[in-house]
Amino acid sequence: GQQLNQSPQSMFIQEGEDVSMNCTSSSIFNTWLWYKQDPGEGPVLLIALYKAGELTSNGRLTAQFGITRKDSFLNISASIPSDVGIYFCAGQLTLVDNQGGKLIFGQGTELSVKP
Amino acid sequence: DTEVTQTPKHLVMGMTNKKSLKCEQHMGHRAMYWYKQKAKKPPELMFVYSYEKLSINESVPSRFSPECPNSSLLNLHLHALQPEDSALYLCASSLRDRPSGANVLTFGAGSRLTVL
Repeated sequence: GQQLNQSPQSMFIQEGEDVSMNCTSSSIFNTWLWYKQDPGEGPVLLIALYKAGELTSNGRLTAQFGITRKDSFLNISASIPSDVGIYFCAGQLTLVDNQGGKLIFGQGTELSVKP
Repeated sequence: DTEVTQTPKHLVMGMTNKKSLKCEQHMGHRAMYWYKQKAKKPPELMFVYSYEKLSINESVPSRFSPECPNSSLLNLHLHALQPEDSALYLCASSLRDRPSGANVLTFGAGSRLTVL
């Protein structure tokens, strides 16, 4: 089936550092979503992107919808301990792929922040 | 109300038991989803209900039986499960389930299932 390549798989950083993670695909997506999941909880939406080239911020988080519609990145600035968790990208396929509406998830990036 | 509520939070069951997971949302969302998630892996889609009708079944074994009694409720009935079915079961909802529309899913906190 369709897959998203999310990298890196894990990151160990110092508090205050900036973080960058990205997702790439061979398919064109019409929506990119970024979720964060804390242990024992469900994923929580961080940022939703709807147009190619769109750059959106949510506090210290910034995400972009790649111009080719096949990639997206998420940046976190000045990380803090509560940023710890697993970050998932998710893409929604376009109609022509016959699976429109279905979300495809990346494998996740596990972030650890050392105080 | 912007939440998806799942009960129970934890469930332990034997392989011969019958149990149910419940999910509720009051956001007016017309699409509801069941996902299965193993530790540190992405959620895997199981079922999608759109306007209270089953629209997607991702070849899930029949020991999992979904039910959507109304637009706010979604159940997952469990029977004769296997230990490998132990996982976090996530319910989600979205405003709509149409190919041309963006599907922003709101997830519940999940039900942690352990099959002995």
